[in-house]
This record gives sequence, structure tokens and C-alpha cells, in this order.
Amino acid sequence: KQEVTQIPAALSVPEGENLVLNCSFTDSAIYNLQWFRQDPGKGLTSLLLIQSSQREQTSGRLNASLDKSSGRSTLYIAASQPGDSATYLCALERLRDDKIIFGKGTRLHILP
Amino acid sequence: DAGVTQSPTHLIKTRGQHVTLRCSPISGHKSVSWYQQVLGQGPQFIFQYYEKEERGRGNFPDRFSARQFPNYSSELNVNALLLGDSALYLCASSFRLGLTEAFFGQGTRLTVV
Repeated sequence: KQEVTQIPAALSVPEGENLVLNCSFTDSAIYNLQWFRQDPGKGLTSLLLIQSSQREQTSGRLNASLDKSSGRSTLYIAASQPGDSATYLCALERLRDDKIIFGKGTRLHILP
Repeated sequence: DAGVTQSPTHLIKTRGQHVTLRCSPISGHKSVSWYQQVLGQGPQFIFQYYEKEERGRGNFPDRFSARQFPNYSSELNVNALLLGDSALYLCASSFRLGLTEAFFGQGTRLTVV
């Protein structure tokens, strides 16, 4: 049973395009949801954290939204650049057992 | 200021052997958590420690164990290694429990042959 699902699994887009990455989850009782970036073979870098009571967070060209009622979060990347190429992971902290659940990630490739 | 440091960076072990992975958190952080990331998958939560006590455990067999020391550094131990234990092992540190304001190390790449 996949509790956190990320769609698409992989995405290639030309430089300059705006894009949306999706994360869906089955249990809406969460403390927060976070988006991470991971470069190949490296650790994770936190991009945006949305607390359970919040609807969205913004940082530079990135905007993340959270809709607990529908079990969805989106990461919007504006004016994509080749340096944005990486795997993007969403993760949530579940209320009922404090467990942290990651999705499998979306591999993003920005074409120069 | 040093970030989260993990050692070793790469490791090759034989099936049945034991391995110890180490993590030094950011200064002042009292929580350390461990994750296993198999190639092509998202990280899977293994353990979380806070103030030297285990505060969470994922669905991993008893071959996996961990501890946190008085200086808040941590070790992850895996006994009787299996081929399926080959993965990137990630450590994260934070002031509090959970992922809020957590910083990740670069990971230890374990290969079991």
C-alpha cells in the first residue's frame, strides 16, 4: 500500500517552462508536509515545509500548496532552469504514530 | 559551521557481516533520525532518537539497531547483512522530533556483496 504517491515519476521539460509536481497521501491526519530536493547520490535538502494549519508556502521560484481534505500537495516551479534538475521528494509526518513517510520522488530533467 | 556528517561515505561488506554507520549532528541538535534509501525509491524511516532515547522505529527487522550518545552523535548497526540491505543510509538532525527544520547528511552508500 503506497501511502504517499508522487506523480509523475519522471519529467523532462525545456528550460523556462513553469511546472507542477504532485504529491498525494491517504491519511490527512498529519503534522506537516515537506518538499525536498535530492541530487544524485546525495542527501536531501529541504525546500518548503507546510504546517498542517497552513495552505501554502513560497520561496523564490518555488510555491508549495497543501490541501488536506483532498490529500494533495503540489510543488510549483516557475521559470525552470537546468540547475533545477534533481529528484523532488515529498514527505509527511503522520499524527497517529509520528511516523515520517516519503514518496518515491519525481525525477526532473530541465533541458537547456 | 559543519553540517550533518556521516561516516564512512562508502562501504562494501559481505553477506552475513556486521556494519556500523556513524552520524554527527549539527551542533545544538538533539534529535537524530536514520533512513534507508534503496535505489529508485524514497527514503524509508528506520529510527529516531531524541535526547538519547529511541522515540520512533520504522518497519525494519531486529537486525537493525541504533543508539545515541551523550554528545548526540549516533550509530546505526546492522547485523547479518543481506544483499537487500544495499542502499544509501541517510542521517538527519534537528532541534526537535520530526522533520521540521531537519538537515540531512550526504549519506553512507552501503553495498553488500
